[in-house]
Amino acid sequence: DGGITQSPKYLFRKEGQNVTLSCEQNLNHDAMYWYRQDPGQGLRLIYYSQIVNDFQKGDIAEGYSVSREKKESFPLTVTSAQKNPTAFYLCASRIDRVQSDNSPLHFGNGTRLTVT
Amino acid sequence: RKEVEQDPGPFNVPEGATVAFNCTYSNSASQSFFWYRQDCRKEPKLLMSVYSSGNEDGRFTAQLNRASQYISLLIRDSKLSDSATYLCVVTAQGYNKLIFGAGTRLAVHP
Repeated sequence: DGGITQSPKYLFRKEGQNVTLSCEQNLNHDAMYWYRQDPGQGLRLIYYSQIVNDFQKGDIAEGYSVSREKKESFPLTVTSAQKNPTAFYLCASRIDRVQSDNSPLHFGNGTRLTVT
Repeated sequence: RKEVEQDPGPFNVPEGATVAFNCTYSNSASQSFFWYRQDCRKEPKLLMSVYSSGNEDGRFTAQLNRASQYISLLIRDSKLSDSATYLCVVTAQGYNKLIFGAGTRLAVHP
């Protein structure tokens, strides 16, 4: 079955450590996204990528980094510079070949990161 | 002003009721609009896309009003299983950046 896989589901880290969240998709989608959700709040865009080797900052990119070396993969690194890293992180992908396309986002199951 | 705004609710309605949510957006150039449903501690799932002429899927009807820059979601004959948070999504700053509203909570009771 095609889909988006995020791993791990739960992640615990000590403050000051960098941590990388995995996101893999086999939907052959061009665009991939990372969102962050805090309790009781909506999703905020961290980074997105339309094609391999290219990505753009979202609204809250500070303290995060990404790479897009392969179409299928879009890992997110939460660095020690991110002041409040504890959150629910959601990866999504979307067909993005035609600018007028009304294609929706497809989400992975998310990773809950807790930093203490 | 936020790019996408929703009434957070909660909307508490009895089974069988009709309920409507609105979502306003600030970018008049936005092209794509969606409604997602999110259950507690789960990922959002697509409920429906919103088309210019309005569209319906069973008990759910979505409308777009470009002049007033809002989209709406109408749920008829509410079920207990409709209890969730409903998120509106709008493209901003071009086609590829999708912005979420904070969501509207719906609680359907017996």
